[in-house]
Amino acid sequence: DTAVSQTPKYLVTQMGNDKSIKCEQNLGHDTMYWYKQDSKKFLKIMFSYNNKELIINETVPNRFSPKSPDKAHLNLHINSLELGDSAVYFCASSQDTGPYNEQFFGPGTRLTVL
Amino acid sequence: AQTVTQSQPEMSVQEAETVTLSCTYDTSESDYYLFWYKQPPSRQMILVIRQEAYKQQNATENRFSVNFQKAAKSFSLKISDSQLGDAAMYFCAYRVNNAGNMLTFGGGTRLMVKP
Repeated sequence: DTAVSQTPKYLVTQMGNDKSIKCEQNLGHDTMYWYKQDSKKFLKIMFSYNNKELIINETVPNRFSPKSPDKAHLNLHINSLELGDSAVYFCASSQDTGPYNEQFFGPGTRLTVL
Repeated sequence: AQTVTQSQPEMSVQEAETVTLSCTYDTSESDYYLFWYKQPPSRQMILVIRQEAYKQQNATENRFSVNFQKAAKSFSLKISDSQLGDAAMYFCAYRVNNAGNMLTFGGGTRLMVKP
């Protein structure tokens, strides 16, 4: 069974649209994350949530709004999409915020903004 | 700010041979953790190996081992007996022991394995 799942896997949309990416983990973890991987494969943290509370926001534009309805879900909503938002977005989870804990990653969502 | 640098954008190794991927990091922290993640063409990020900075002994996981040089802030990954399935992007990552638990990644090294 998939531990961290994301939907959709691929998303193609026009500039200016609003879109959401969903993430679910069935590992019983307390902490969830969103990472962005750009076209050069550079991977950077966007958000981190612990027990549904935001603990990291790495200077991400306000157009990006994460929402955690419960500990198992962390969805990412993006308003007014721009060309530069094209990337692969990874959701991840870990047991808690302990720094040695393994982060389990989802399969990624490739977002293409035209 | 913490940074992680992987100076080799691409590496190539013959099947069954050994290859070492380099990683250096910059930090003023003393309590931190280091990781190597593998990203095959499927895009899935997979943890390969991890090391606590306070441990002097280098971590080992089967064919994967690290050479952790704390003073030099170096954390290289050695893959022994390379297999075709090892072909992937490899990312070095760093995490400091404070609030947030965020991973800071290097730019990645693409490893090609030749049969």
